[in-house]
Amino acid sequence: QLQLQESGPGLVKPSQTLSLACTVSGDSINSNSYYWGWVRQSPGKGLEWIGSIYYSGTTYSTPSLKSRVTISADTSKNQIFLRMTSVTATDTAVYYCARQAHTNSSHFDFWGQGILVTVPS
Amino acid sequence: SYELTQPPSVSVSPGQTVSVPCSEYNLGYKYVSWYQQKAGQSPLLVIYQDNKRPSGIPERFSGSNSGNTATLTITGTQALDEAEYYCQAWDSSTVIFGGGTKLTVL
Repeated sequence: QLQLQESGPGLVKPSQTLSLACTVSGDSINSNSYYWGWVRQSPGKGLEWIGSIYYSGTTYSTPSLKSRVTISADTSKNQIFLRMTSVTATDTAVYYCARQAHTNSSHFDFWGQGILVTVPS
Repeated sequence: SYELTQPPSVSVSPGQTVSVPCSEYNLGYKYVSWYQQKAGQSPLLVIYQDNKRPSGIPERFSGSNSGNTATLTITGTQALDEAEYYCQAWDSSTVIFGGGTKLTVL
């Protein structure tokens, strides 16, 4: 059974770097059928795609965050990672990792439970 | 830039049919997916590639996409369908989500 589990600090100070991991079990991230993505949701707001990584190592990210975001993977540990630099209070959100189909719809068919990251103002 | 527009809220009576629109110019040329998110939960995929239902999603959920509008339709709406619904598309190697629609079952 596929499971995605986000982990990392729940509190990050302003101007510091947010680092999260997503451990995948029940599937291999080293698959040409899927991307593995990060999506966040600020309190009371909608979903915002951060970026995704393909098994080849190719990454995609939303233009507004591209300069601050790095997405990487460790296939030996079946984990993907999110690194976001220079965080501010506006980066406070629940961060989800999700499996994303490598198709022309690129839908997210499986989500982790999410992790709340707070950046105090 | 590509944006998906959804109404902030819609309401429906139990047992009735409700449609949730998602709009952008020429959206019909792209595939649209839909997610249901209940309070405190992770999003759940309910429709992908415009009109396909993942395993385990009830038949009362259906989707369509033509012209400038994609539509999620729930037939015979139940109280447990009350949730936020998001549309999503893929454009120029970028994922776009709509702003979400709060469905209230009155």
